[in-house]
Amino acid sequence: AQSVAQPEDQVNVAEGNPLTVKCTYSVSGNPYLFWYVQYPNRGLQFLLKYITGDNLVKGSYGFEAEFNKSQTSFHLKKPSALVSDSALYFCAVRGSPLYSSNTGKLIFGQGTTLQVKP
Amino acid sequence: DSGVTQTPKHLITATGQRVTLRCSPRSGDLSVYWYQQSLDQGLQFLIHYYNGEERAKGNILERFSAQQFPDLHSELNLSSLELGDSALYFCASSVGEGTSGYEQYFGPGTRLTVT
Repeated sequence: AQSVAQPEDQVNVAEGNPLTVKCTYSVSGNPYLFWYVQYPNRGLQFLLKYITGDNLVKGSYGFEAEFNKSQTSFHLKKPSALVSDSALYFCAVRGSPLYSSNTGKLIFGQGTTLQVKP
Repeated sequence: DSGVTQTPKHLITATGQRVTLRCSPRSGDLSVYWYQQSLDQGLQFLIHYYNGEERAKGNILERFSAQQFPDLHSELNLSSLELGDSALYFCASSVGEGTSGYEQYFGPGTRLTVT
């Protein structure tokens, strides 16, 4: 079965401190991994993706994510958090292409609310 | 702004009714995806169209149907609505046909409330 787990419902961090939002995945074959952010009453906004290559992926707004194949993880990180980073973050994995019914399908985690306090 | 547009933004209707949600993908994108976001189910994939053809189906009820038109816009039709259909419905588009690693860009969503 394919799945994504975000073990923390909420992450609290002080402004200026580094942040990490955790994500683990389970998928057949090589994973295509994505992070999205959702602000209140808005759609999901693409942050970054891992397809292949370097395990450290850089994305929008200073975010980066580290792919770890042995731990099946894809944690989102930022060296210095901003209050404006407060939002709901989703990790997603593309369904395995081994199954035609998965074409293009994104499987999302339950989301992690990031709260950055001044 | 992702470039994906959805109308209407809000929809309030009664049980048993039928509604149509509309999506226009980003310019140049051939794939359209529909997702449902609810508090209890999270974000769930419903259906994927590529250049007018259905490519994959997810947890889409038989009461729901979709299509993609020659101009690439898509419509999601929800019929015999139930209270549990109340949710945020997102459309997303991507340039690829789904087998590659192209990211999907999401519209602002349509919030459906069934009373």
